[in-house]
Amino acid sequence: GQSLEQPSEVTAVEGAIVQINCTYQTSGFYGLSWYQQHDGGAPTFLSYNALDGLEETGRFSSFLSRSDSYGYLLLQELQMKDSASYFCVRGDTGRRALTFGSGTRLQVQP
Amino acid sequence: EAQVTQNPRYLITVTGKKLTVTCSQNMNHEYMSWYRQDPGLGLRQIYYSMNVEVTDKGDVPEGYKVSRKEKRNFPLILESPSPNQTSLYFCASSPSTAYGYTFGSGTRLTVV
Repeated sequence: GQSLEQPSEVTAVEGAIVQINCTYQTSGFYGLSWYQQHDGGAPTFLSYNALDGLEETGRFSSFLSRSDSYGYLLLQELQMKDSASYFCVRGDTGRRALTFGSGTRLQVQP
Repeated sequence: EAQVTQNPRYLITVTGKKLTVTCSQNMNHEYMSWYRQDPGLGLRQIYYSMNVEVTDKGDVPEGYKVSRKEKRNFPLILESPSPNQTSLYFCASSPSTAYGYTFGSGTRLTVV
């Protein structure tokens, strides 16, 4: 199937680094995206990985390892405003629909 | 301003009364999608469209219809809403599957 696994909750302190992992089933997989969603808001696109390796965008980085069927989102220098839910999202070959993970709720504490 | 606009933001309706949620994007994007978001289930794709007159089912299409007569518009139609369609709905658009989607602000639908 197209399921993804990610932790339901993560807590970290301001200024710290946090990594949110995402594992997926290999069959048909072609790329992994990450979205941020604040309570009451719309999802916002953060990054996309189609190839192995690290993509960096400011304080956020995303990594993909196809051989391990695994990716992660790395958030550095955490700020209170980073408290939100983070979704990994897979795209599949031959299938235009995207599949969202169930989301990781990140709580940043002072 | 580049955006996806969906209306209404909030809607309460009764079972069986047909309704349409509109979605419009001003970015000339080819791909458009509808999602519903329910607690504990994340976002699930209802329908998507790759271009004008090209639509396909997502993971939860039952009870919904869509149309793509113009590139900018992608309305979601509930012919006979039922209480299990009470949810938060998002419309989104993208220039291609390799890029991220831009989401609308959401429509909170309650069917009583």
